[in-house]
This record gives sequence, C-alpha cells and structure tokens, in this order.
Amino acid sequence: DSGVTQTPKHLITATGQRVTLRCSPRSGDLSVYWYQQSLDQGLQFLIQYYNGEERAKGNILERFSAQQFPDLHSELNLSSLELGDSALYFCASRLGTGGNTGELFFGEGSRLTVL
Amino acid sequence: AQTVTQSQPEMSVQEAETVTLSCTYDTSESDYYLFWYKQPPSRQMILVIRQEAYKQQNATENRFSVNFQKAAKSFSLKISDSQLGDAAMYFCAYRSAQKSNSGYALNFGKGTSLLVTP
Repeated sequence: DSGVTQTPKHLITATGQRVTLRCSPRSGDLSVYWYQQSLDQGLQFLIQYYNGEERAKGNILERFSAQQFPDLHSELNLSSLELGDSALYFCASRLGTGGNTGELFFGEGSRLTVL
Repeated sequence: AQTVTQSQPEMSVQEAETVTLSCTYDTSESDYYLFWYKQPPSRQMILVIRQEAYKQQNATENRFSVNFQKAAKSFSLKISDSQLGDAAMYFCAYRSAQKSNSGYALNFGKGTSLLVTP
C-alpha cells in the first residue's frame, strides 16, 4: 500500500459527460502529480500541484482541469468526454517539488471508460 | 522533452533464471535520475530501483540491479532468480535534476511486459 488513495477505482460514462477523479496523497506529501495511461500513448504526465498551487503542466487537454485543496487532496476534472479519454488515470504524490525531494508514490489508479 | 525508449515490448524468463530489460534515453543534461517501476496486474506502479546519474556505482536492490552506462545513455534492469511474482509490466523513467516546463515529472518509456514461466 503506497498510501495514495484514488477514487473511484472504476468509472463508466458516456461521451460528452463530465467526471471528477479524486486523490488523497500520502500523509505529509505536498506534491500531487496526475498521469494518464493509455495503450497507445503510454504514461503521460498531465499536471502537478504543490501545496495548493499549480506547479507544472504536461500534455493536459483544455477540457481537463485539476485543483489541490487546503487539505492537500486533489481532483482531476474531465469534461466533454470523448472515446479517446478512456484510460487509467494515476495520481502520485511526493514530499516536495524539487529535483531530489522524495520518491514518487502512485495510487492504484482510476479506470475511466467512455462509451 | 527527454525521450525514454524501451525496445522490448515483451520478454519471457523461466523461474529462477535471470533476465535483463533494456532502456535507453535521450538527454543533453548531465544530472538526472533514472528509475524502474513495476506495474503488476493490480496496476499500481511500484518503484523497483533508482539511479542517480552522478553516481558511477550501479544501484542494487536485492535481486534487482541496474547497468547504468551514462555515455551510452543506457539503463538496463537485471532481475536475478526470477520469481512468479515478478511477472508485470516494467517501466523505465527519467527525471531531470533541473526544473523544466514539466517540473520534475517523470518521463516514462512504453514499458516491457515480463512473463515468468514455471
């Protein structure tokens, strides 16, 4: 158990809909990273938050957004869903945001299926 | 962005034997970190081993060791005495020591699926 909790574990929805994925980082970790894992693209970095503030952006679509709350949990919002958004979405956390501030610990992921 | 390449989509090893998974990366940086993550069917990403680029000594964690060739930009993972529980997807990842547009996020390869046969 990595200590990173993601909900829901599985989610099935229709095209055009909006979903919210939730992540609780390990106790004490201030940085949260979101990744998307799909068969064709592999693991793609989406976005990072540190202590409530956005710190880095990767290949995140404009239809996607995220935030980190004062209690440090994070939510990834996916809207106007398309078939191609079907993927495993991982949250990962670590202590800091610098180059050598702790390892990245992953949650079990949220499997999103868009029909 | 740095590119991480895993040229072996699938590998197979017999129980108790040794297998080596390959990884190459492309970077112009001199300071960085390399990782191997394991993703079993439970799908959680588990850190197997990490290597700091400034260290010449290859990292070792029990049955897992790496062969880090900085000049060749190669970072292979050797699994000794393979066990059935080693069956998983293995991902090689790169992280810069300097902040980039993607912060200090990990860059992953496409993965190698390891099958362990009895």
